Amino acid sequence: DAGITQSPRYKITETGRQVTLMCHQTWSHSYMFWYRQDLGHGLRLIYYSAAADITDKGEVSDGYVVSRSKTENFPLTLESATRSQTSVYFCASRPGGESPLHFGNGTRLTVT
Amino acid sequence: SQQGEEDPQALSIQEGENATMNCSYKTSINNLQWYRQNSGRGLVHLILIRSNEREKHSGRLRVTLDTSKKSSSLLITASRAADTASYFCATAPGGGNNRLAFGKGNQVVVIP
Repeated sequence: DAGITQSPRYKITETGRQVTLMCHQTWSHSYMFWYRQDLGHGLRLIYYSAAADITDKGEVSDGYVVSRSKTENFPLTLESATRSQTSVYFCASRPGGESPLHFGNGTRLTVT
Repeated sequence: SQQGEEDPQALSIQEGENATMNCSYKTSINNLQWYRQNSGRGLVHLILIRSNEREKHSGRLRVTLDTSKKSSSLLITASRAADTASYFCATAPGGGNNRLAFGKGNQVVVIP
């Protein structure tokens, strides 16, 4: 089925470890996004990408790295995980123009 | 920075009743969007209203936008148990749709 998938669904890691969250979409949407969702903060944009090899920071990008070598994949890496990065991470995509976001089902990350 | 701010934060209603949620924002916008999130899932787009529109309908959903007051409302008529979810407004600032600012969400519980 076409759609946007995130993996893993759940992840527990230790402080200081590197962890990568995966996102894959089958629609060939140009734009892809990473958000984090925390109680009391709603969703906050981490990074987005307008096309392969084009990325831009969101409001909470510190401590995160992204890459987009292929249109369909947009991995998010926490280079050295901290407890404050415990959150639910959502990947989203959209084709362009005024089109809305299509979200994956999220990755719940716990940093111990 | 976060723009959308829903009010009230939590709503509990009987099946068949109407549910109304409000959203306020602070800066000028291109459009305002409403999303629904079921527990443990990603957000799903419901409706988009442009800055030059005042009201829009989609099935049992009615959205209004008052740009002079910088506010929007989402009305769900004849609610069903399946409408139980969190509802988020998101604003697209003048710069475009790649930096949607989400509100903190409004939890709606529909009692069968």
